[in-house]
Amino acid sequence: DAKTTQPTSMDCAEGRAANLPCNHSTISGNEYVYWYRQIHSQGPQYIIHGLKNNETNEMASLIITEDRKSSTLILPHATLRDTAVYYCIPRGGGGSNYKLTFGKGTLLTVNP
Amino acid sequence: DADVTQTPRNRITKTGKRIMLECSQTKGHDRMYWYRQDPGLGLRLIYYSFDVKDINKGEISDGYSVSRQAQAKFSLSLESAIPNQTALYFCATSDPGRNEQFFGPGTRLTVL
Repeated sequence: DAKTTQPTSMDCAEGRAANLPCNHSTISGNEYVYWYRQIHSQGPQYIIHGLKNNETNEMASLIITEDRKSSTLILPHATLRDTAVYYCIPRGGGGSNYKLTFGKGTLLTVNP
Repeated sequence: DADVTQTPRNRITKTGKRIMLECSQTKGHDRMYWYRQDPGLGLRLIYYSFDVKDINKGEISDGYSVSRQAQAKFSLSLESAIPNQTALYFCATSDPGRNEQFFGPGTRLTVL
């Protein structure tokens, strides 16, 4: 599995965009980039995933660099409820690859 | 109603006791997982099951066993609990056609 590097913590003002970076320079060609978040002691929640192209859903946008060595999760208008630990997880595609390897993630604190 | 439920939500027990944590899901997913989380760390996979007749060890299965009683139920047992099994335990489910995992609310287990 590819190694990831994420900032330990970040702050963001409420209503502003939160941009969370992830470095995954050893990612292999068939590995997707998944993002999950965990609000204090709750079960992790899936946010978004992508392979090469940028992706957007109702929760966030995912920007993946052309060389796929890094990505950025964007929460366009952060709210206090977005305060959580955000995990970037490279993972092989296809239904047979089940494994999620959680690192320490980034603690995002959204301030009023 | 929650799609993935875990019982109990909190449990305090003593060293040497047998403990069972239960997980139920109404999502109709074939795949189920058990993870543990220690303070300040990401989740680690204990066991996983791709269907009722399939059980597989994860990265930290020693000291644990599981039972898949039905598609909707997956139990984790600690045959003889020890203090370093004090942790937050999460159950998750997934559909083989999609890669997102859906997590339960967690069980906080304390072994004295």
